Order: sequence, then C-alpha cells, then structure tokens
Amino acid sequence: DIQLTQSPSSLSASVGDRVTITCRASQSISSYLNWYQQKPGKAPKLLIYAASSLQSGVPSRFSGSGSGTDFTLTISSLQPADFATYYCQQSYNTPLTFGQGTKVEIK
Amino acid sequence: QVQLVQSGAEVKKPGASVKVSCKSSGYTFTSYAMHWVRQAPGQRLEWMGWINADNGNTKYSQKFQGRVTITRDTSASTAYMELSSLRSEDTAIYYCARVEVVAATYWGQGTLVTVSS
Repeated sequence: DIQLTQSPSSLSASVGDRVTITCRASQSISSYLNWYQQKPGKAPKLLIYAASSLQSGVPSRFSGSGSGTDFTLTISSLQPADFATYYCQQSYNTPLTFGQGTKVEIK
Repeated sequence: QVQLVQSGAEVKKPGASVKVSCKSSGYTFTSYAMHWVRQAPGQRLEWMGWINADNGNTKYSQKFQGRVTITRDTSASTAYMELSSLRSEDTAIYYCARVEVVAATYWGQGTLVTVSS
C-alpha cells in the first residue's frame, strides 16, 4: 500500500497568513494526488484534484503543486472559513489511501 | 443538483452485520463509480472499496476482503455497503462518495455505526 505522510500534523495561523501543507508519498504517484478539506461533523470536500487542478467552486486562494512523491497545498491568505482539517489522498492505485490529516487552527 | 443521502445511524453488537445505503439523485447513477470510505473517531479516512454502478463490478481493500460487500440497485439509484463480523474497531462514520475519474467530488452525509455490547 502507498503511505502518505502529511506535515505538519497541526498548525496555528492567523487570518491573512499564507499556509503550506506538504504530503509525501512512499513511492511515485505521478500527479494522482487530491486534497480535501473536512470540518467537524461534515463530509470531506474536494479542493484540488490531480495535484494542481482547482475543483469547481473552490476559492482561488487554494492551490496545489507537486508530482512524483512530494506535494504541497497552499492557502495564499487564510480566511475564517479555512480553519479545518486537510487530507491528501492518492488515486494512483488501490487501495486508495489518505494522509493522517493536518489540522489548521486559529492562532 | 447531485445528492447522496445515506441511511441513519446504527448500533450493532459485536459479530453482527450492518448494511448502509446511499441513495443518489441529480445525475445518471450508472455513469459514475461509487466508493465507500470510513473514519473511526480521531482517525484518518480509510478506503473500503468501490463499485462500478453500471456493471456492478467491485473491488475491495484487502483489509476488509471477506467482510465487506458493496452492491447497487440501479432501479433505485442506490448503492449499499454491508460489513459483517463487526467488532468494536469498526465503530466509525461510513461515507459513500461519487468518484469522477480520479477524485471524490460528491459525498454522502455519513452514517455513524456504533459497535457495542
């Protein structure tokens, strides 16, 4: 199985900050990497697919980059609605796997 | 609009089975794969398997092989996930998710399954 490791596991940031979350895969997954946002008690929401493509309706302050084994999710200017947990997920092969999550909290 | 509506919360005893439904609307059910993902308390998301809603072909995570069965009823636009031989570690929220090519674009609201004696 492909292991995904996110860093950091949690972070504290202020509104307006630039936030970067990384995801490292245990083997090359090309660009088969997605990012989801999850708020407490809610289902995950797709933000970025295929490493860098912005899902329809998602604000442009979210962006993704990377290929192979190293990927990044960037929030250019953190907004109050962005305080949540973020997960990366690989769709290169089955079993599909997720990172352990990064919780973004208010500083 | 696309909606995935799951069945309600369940409480089961160890050793029992649970069957969760996921009713789709707002799109052609047979045009997309349906995946099942679960999340135990405080844990990461965990993929269980998927079904080709058109032909019914399935693929399961090795972790759940032999215990999970995913089916669909095209006339009802509904997918089902049945998990057997339940144990306390299966206590989790179970989600269905519609997948478009590489990512899950629509998710059900989740179904809490509690396994307790």
